[in-house]
Amino acid sequence: QQQVKQSPQSLIVQKGGISIINCAYENTAFDYFPWYQQFPGKGPALLIAIRPDVSEKKEGRFTISFNKSAKQFSLHIMDSQPGDSATYFCAASIYPPGGSQGNLIFGKGTKLSVKP
Amino acid sequence: DTAVSQTPKYLVTQMGNDKSIKCEQNLGHDTMYWYKQDSKKFLKIMFSYNNKELIINETVPNRFSPKSPDKAHLNLHINSLELGDSAVYFCASSQVMNTEAFFGQGTRLTVV
Repeated sequence: QQQVKQSPQSLIVQKGGISIINCAYENTAFDYFPWYQQFPGKGPALLIAIRPDVSEKKEGRFTISFNKSAKQFSLHIMDSQPGDSATYFCAASIYPPGGSQGNLIFGKGTKLSVKP
Repeated sequence: DTAVSQTPKYLVTQMGNDKSIKCEQNLGHDTMYWYKQDSKKFLKIMFSYNNKELIINETVPNRFSPKSPDKAHLNLHINSLELGDSAVYFCASSQVMNTEAFFGQGTRLTVV
């Protein structure tokens, strides 16, 4: 119930291509879905987040697509650049706070490499 | 002007020792967290504090204890360190629990 399953584990994309990372969750009470970006030696940083009242959110080259019925959400990186090479984590939680279920549950991460 | 700062950045210590990692945030946030990232990059929450009260305590060994002297600080104390404690520990904070969390740069703990 508390898992967030992320795929693929690693991804290699050519510069200018589209990077797509997928996540699936089980707990239907989750209602906050952020994506975090982590560079080597750094802490994760929030990239973009969505709540289930919308099916898509776009910020610059980054888009979250959300499918509530399938309990899936994905990150699309358009025009991928070498500087996007990092590890990406999806996460889910209950918003606002909700006791012991209020944890941010992270997926296992996707290492993205964008080749020049 | 670092938002969430933790010290030290690297910590190498022997098994059985007791160590502490300090964390401070200057964002005025109400909630602070400790996460553990293992060698496979998996991030797992260990503790969170809201208004100086522990509100989530995941199933971590009781050798780990968070201490919050004030709203801006959440330190992590670890007793009787074991080899399996080797990991990167991240402190984080957020205004409201489980909204945008700001992470520190991490402390790489190596137990030898």
